[in-house]
Amino acid sequence: ILNVEQSPQSLHVQEGDSTNFTCSFPSSNFYALHWYRWETAKSPEALFVMTLNGDEKKKGRISATLNTKEGYSYLYIKGSQPEDSATYLCAFMSGGSYIPTFGRGTSLIVHP
Amino acid sequence: EAGVTQFPSHSVIEKGQTVTLRCDPISGHDNLYWYRRVMGKEIKFLLHFVKESKQDESGMPNNRFLAERTGGTYSTLKVQPAELEDSGVYFCASSDREETQYFGPGTRLLVL
Repeated sequence: ILNVEQSPQSLHVQEGDSTNFTCSFPSSNFYALHWYRWETAKSPEALFVMTLNGDEKKKGRISATLNTKEGYSYLYIKGSQPEDSATYLCAFMSGGSYIPTFGRGTSLIVHP
Repeated sequence: EAGVTQFPSHSVIEKGQTVTLRCDPISGHDNLYWYRRVMGKEIKFLLHFVKESKQDESGMPNNRFLAERTGGTYSTLKVQPAELEDSGVYFCASSDREETQYFGPGTRLLVL
């Protein structure tokens, strides 16, 4: 059983704050790490697919880093806005399997 | 291009009844996946179709769940008879390559 942990479970920040959260995963047999943004009643939206150790990816105010040797990825949001409020999910894929193992998500609420 | 669609968006049924969920993948996507998220827990894999064939059904919880994908287009997931613990959000995803999956908005199932 693969263990994918996300922390914190939930996060409340004020508009304009920058924030970050963590996804930890097994450090062996790594294939890919996905980040999704999920607003309730909508489809989880793919943010990043990260495959190489040391990867850094950016999409607007959101960026992510990857450390496959120690088994973690950080997601950063700069200058949070209320529309960033969502659950952020990470999903780990190991070599030889295309079935992702999801974390429980970090629920972010940005207060105006 | 239309995304993954799921029907119904919500379903409330009584224990012992039958419910059938439908997923229409993105046109041309051979890979179709079903997942379930029980409240507060992680999204868990149920099964994977490649065209009309079941590639991996290791996540199906028991024989009350039956998934089909006749003709390799849309898929149905039937729960018969439904139990209280079947409540959750059922997601469908599709992909043309196995790494990048596109999710539908989910069906929220409540079994009373």
